[in-house]
Amino acid sequence: DSGVTQTPKHLITATGQRVTLRCSPRSGDLSVYWYQQSLDQGLQFLIQYYNGEERAKGNILERFSAQQFPDLHSELNLSSLELGDSALYFCASSVGYRTSGSETQYFGPGTRLLVL
Amino acid sequence: SQELEQSPQSLIVQEGKNLTINCTSSKTLYGLYWYKQKYGEGLIFLMMLQKGGEEKSHEKITAKLDEKKQQSSLHITASQPSHAGIYLCGADRNDYKLSFGAGTTVTVRA
Repeated sequence: DSGVTQTPKHLITATGQRVTLRCSPRSGDLSVYWYQQSLDQGLQFLIQYYNGEERAKGNILERFSAQQFPDLHSELNLSSLELGDSALYFCASSVGYRTSGSETQYFGPGTRLLVL
Repeated sequence: SQELEQSPQSLIVQEGKNLTINCTSSKTLYGLYWYKQKYGEGLIFLMMLQKGGEEKSHEKITAKLDEKKQQSSLHITASQPSHAGIYLCGADRNDYKLSFGAGTTVTVRA
């Protein structure tokens, strides 16, 4: 158990709908990262938040958005869903200071999204 | 990521045999991570390497980072069924995110 929690574990929805994925980081971690894993694209970085502020952005579609709340949990909002959005969505967290070099990211169990 | 190549794509090993997975970057790495994933599940952190020439071991798994910090290998000694899964290397290029290889699927046959 990494200490990172994600809900829900599974989500089935229809095209055009909107869903929200939730992530709680490990205790003490200020950084939250979102990744998407699909068969054709592999594991791709979407976005990072540090202490409530957006820090880095990857291949995140405009239909997707995220935020990190004062209690440090984060939500990933996916709207106008398409069939191709079906994937595993992972949240990861790290301390976020990078004072001693590279930081380990600990991953949650993921949310499996199926768009029908 | 095409900047991070993993080989082989998959391998089958007899229980008790050794195996090696390679991860090659086209650019110098700030940090190199190894994770293991059971199909459809979360990533389990194995090891992180940051210094050129660094080598780390945990139980029967050893990871090395070359001097130029562009290539890493993961070696499993005397493989067991519990070693089966997908091994992913992740590159930290000091831009906060991790860029992952396509993964190596390991099957351990009894």
